[in-house]
Amino acid sequence: DVKVTQSSRYLVKRTGEKVFLECVQDMDHENMFWYRQDPGLGLRLIYFSYDVKMKEKGDIPEGYSVSREKKERFSLILESASTNQTSMYLCASIAARDRKQRTFGSGTRLTVV
Amino acid sequence: GDSVTQMEGPVTLSEEAFLTINCTYTATGYPSLFWYVQYPGEGLQLLLKATKADDKGSNKGFEATYRKETTSFHLEKGSVQVSDSAVYFCAPLSGGYNKLIFGAGTRLAVHP
Repeated sequence: DVKVTQSSRYLVKRTGEKVFLECVQDMDHENMFWYRQDPGLGLRLIYFSYDVKMKEKGDIPEGYSVSREKKERFSLILESASTNQTSMYLCASIAARDRKQRTFGSGTRLTVV
Repeated sequence: GDSVTQMEGPVTLSEEAFLTINCTYTATGYPSLFWYVQYPGEGLQLLLKATKADDKGSNKGFEATYRKETTSFHLEKGSVQVSDSAVYFCAPLSGGYNKLIFGAGTRLAVHP
């Protein structure tokens, strides 16, 4: 069964810490995405990547960076975590030519204290 | 830029009631349109989709028709069940790189 795996389901970090959220897919998908989900705001796109070492800013990239060194792994980095980055983070992937086979991970709920 | 507006929730219904969740969008050209569902404690799952005008997507008793003239993609179900309780997201596909734009989500609560 194809899947997108996010390394942590729940994470608690302190303000100022550097935080890594990992996402791995086993479907050989070119496109990968990071969203954050907040009540009343839906999902907002942070960054996406359309191939290895390629990245594009989404709608809310401030305070985040990403890394895509291998096709199957897309990492979201919070350089210096802040309390307003407390949220649910969702990773997704899709094959470049396939507009239906988008798969989401189960999410990482990050709390910054 | 492209955007989507969804009906605000929560929507509370009794079992077997009729459901409509409204969705309208603004986008360049004719995007593919999707509805995703998120059950409690889970990630998002694709519920249904439509790729061109007048297409009807359907799955699990849910339906939505791509209305180009009103730029809408309203979700309907004739008879909801308790197990349909979830958050529903409307999402047009925007431009290149398969970039989905999500609505704010509509929480549905179905009571026995």
